[in-house]
Amino acid sequence: SQQGEEDPQALSIQEGENATMNCSYKTSINNLQWYRQNSGRGLVHLILIRSNEREKHSGRLRVTLDTSKKSSSLLITASRAADTASYFCATDLILPGANSKLTFGKGITLSVRP
Amino acid sequence: KAGVTQTPRYLIKTRGQQVTLSCSPISGHRSVSWYQQTPGQGLQFLFEYFSETQRNKGNFPGRFSGRQFSNSRSEMNVSTLELGDSALYLCASSDRSGLLTNEKLFFGSGTQLSVL
Repeated sequence: SQQGEEDPQALSIQEGENATMNCSYKTSINNLQWYRQNSGRGLVHLILIRSNEREKHSGRLRVTLDTSKKSSSLLITASRAADTASYFCATDLILPGANSKLTFGKGITLSVRP
Repeated sequence: KAGVTQTPRYLIKTRGQQVTLSCSPISGHRSVSWYQQTPGQGLQFLFEYFSETQRNKGNFPGRFSGRQFSNSRSEMNVSTLELGDSALYLCASSDRSGLLTNEKLFFGSGTQLSVL
């Protein structure tokens, strides 16, 4: 089963609007990361938030993390048509033996209409 | 620096055959991870290699194997291909050295494998 579950599965908005995407997870994590993927290509890292952080900003991106609720949200402000892509939440799971593994959710398809 | 390079970009095979995919990480990166991406399952973790040793493994059958060379380049092999192995196979590298945390991954463009 997936560790990170994104919500919604698909999102369609008008250019200029804000896009909010959510991610929930089940077990303890070191950090949570968001990635973007354009159709049929590799993933591109957007932002990383550590388990002891609550909010981070990067340009038009704002990510929050609530470890008590085991959830995160990614906000893209003033969206552009070029933001159309799939967005993935990745959780760095804490494993036994001082180990960790990065697992991905199934992704959110964002469509930004011009 | 050059990015992560995966070859080939596209591959068509028939059931029962085997396939080898290649990945060259970013220079200086010693950790290489492999993921399988399908529309229904999203990204599934296959394995991670560091300094020629497999550090983590996902829940895939033994038909899926990999290795890493001394120059950090990695290959993954799938034997006895099945129709369900059709997927985009993504390789990612990072400069993570310790086991404690995974930092930012840099992905290649992937190899699209079609099994007929």
